[in-house]
This record gives sequence, C-alpha cells and structure tokens, in this order.
Amino acid sequence: DQQVKQNSPSLSVQEGRISILNCDYTNSMFDYFLWYKKYPAEGPTFLISISSIKDKNEDGRFTVFLNKSAKHLSLHIVPSQPGDSAVYFCAASAGMNYGGSQGNLIFGKGTKLSVKP
Amino acid sequence: KAGVTQTPRYLIKTRGQQVTLSCSPISGHRSVSWYQQTPGQGLQFLFEYFSETQRNKGNFPGRFSGRQFSNSRSEMNVSTLELGDSALYLCASSLASGPPGTGELFFGEGSRLTVL
Repeated sequence: DQQVKQNSPSLSVQEGRISILNCDYTNSMFDYFLWYKKYPAEGPTFLISISSIKDKNEDGRFTVFLNKSAKHLSLHIVPSQPGDSAVYFCAASAGMNYGGSQGNLIFGKGTKLSVKP
Repeated sequence: KAGVTQTPRYLIKTRGQQVTLSCSPISGHRSVSWYQQTPGQGLQFLFEYFSETQRNKGNFPGRFSGRQFSNSRSEMNVSTLELGDSALYLCASSLASGPPGTGELFFGEGSRLTVL
C-alpha cells in the first residue's frame, strides 16, 4: 500500500524549458512534504520542502506546489538545466501524534529526470 | 564538515549469512535513520535512532535490527540473509530538532549489499 506515489518513472525535458514532477499521497495525516534529488552513486540530497499550511514554496529555480484537497504536490524547475538530470524523490511525514519522527519519511519511488542540451 | 560516512560501501554475502553495516553521522547530529532502496520499492524506512534509543520503526521483519552508540554512530544488522535483501542501504542523520519531517536529512552514499 503506497502512501506516496510518483506515477511517472521518467521525464525528459529540453534545456531551458520547465520540468514538472508530480507526486500524489493518500494519507491525510501527512503535514510536511519534501523533495530530494539523487545522482547515481550518491545519497539523496534535500532540495525543497513545504508545510501543509502553505500551498507554495519557492527557492530559486525550484518551486513546490501543494494541493491538499487533491492530495497532490508538484515540483517545478524553471529553467531546466542539464545538471538537473537526476532521480527526484517526493517524501512526506506525519506529525508525532501519528507516528512521525524526524528521520521517518515516506518516500515515493522516484522520477528520473533527463534534461537534454 | 564531514558528511555521513557509511561502511562498507559494497559487500557480497550468501543466503543465510548475516551482515553488519556501519554509519557515522555528521558531527552534532543525534538522529540516525536507515533506509533500504530497491529498484521496485524505492526508499523504505527501516528505523530511526535518537540518543541510543529506537524512536521509530518501519515495516521490516525482525531480521533487521539496529543500534546506536553514545557517540551517535549507528549500526544495522541483517540476519539470515535472503536474496530479496539485496539493496542499497542508506543511512541519514539529522539534528532532530523541530516537528517531524522539518529537519533536513543528510544521507550517506550507502552500502550496496548483494546476496547470492
């Protein structure tokens, strides 16, 4: 039973265009959402996060949008660069009253982004 | 500052054996979490340790265990290895302050276990 779903295993985008990575979740107790990026042979690195009390968070070229009613979030990368080519993981956490803790994140299976020059 | 260090990076075991993986967190980080990454399942949470105590546990069988030492270093152990245990095991540390999920997790490069 997957609580965090990334339905697109891969995405290919032209350099300079927008990349949109999508993520759906089923657990309404999730209150914090994060995106991690992973290059081959490296551990995941934190990219951006959003609290459930917000619907948008922006950091440079990266923006995360949260639609709580649809249980959907998306990561926008504008403009996309070849160095953005990596696997992107969406992750969620629940509050402590629901078994959450700092290190306990529920991850999706990832979307492999390829940015073509 | 030094990142999260995991050893060994690669290892090969046979079914029925046991394995111990080690993780040294970033200095000052008191929370250490372990994740299993497989192609079919993505990253799955194994357990989290804080101040030498297991704070949270994922849905893995009892063959998977861990511990944390007073210097925050952590080990995980898998006994009676099965073919399906072949995976990349990732350790992550965090400052463990604030509400769940709000602290950035810093991941190591992982230990790739192959079970033959």
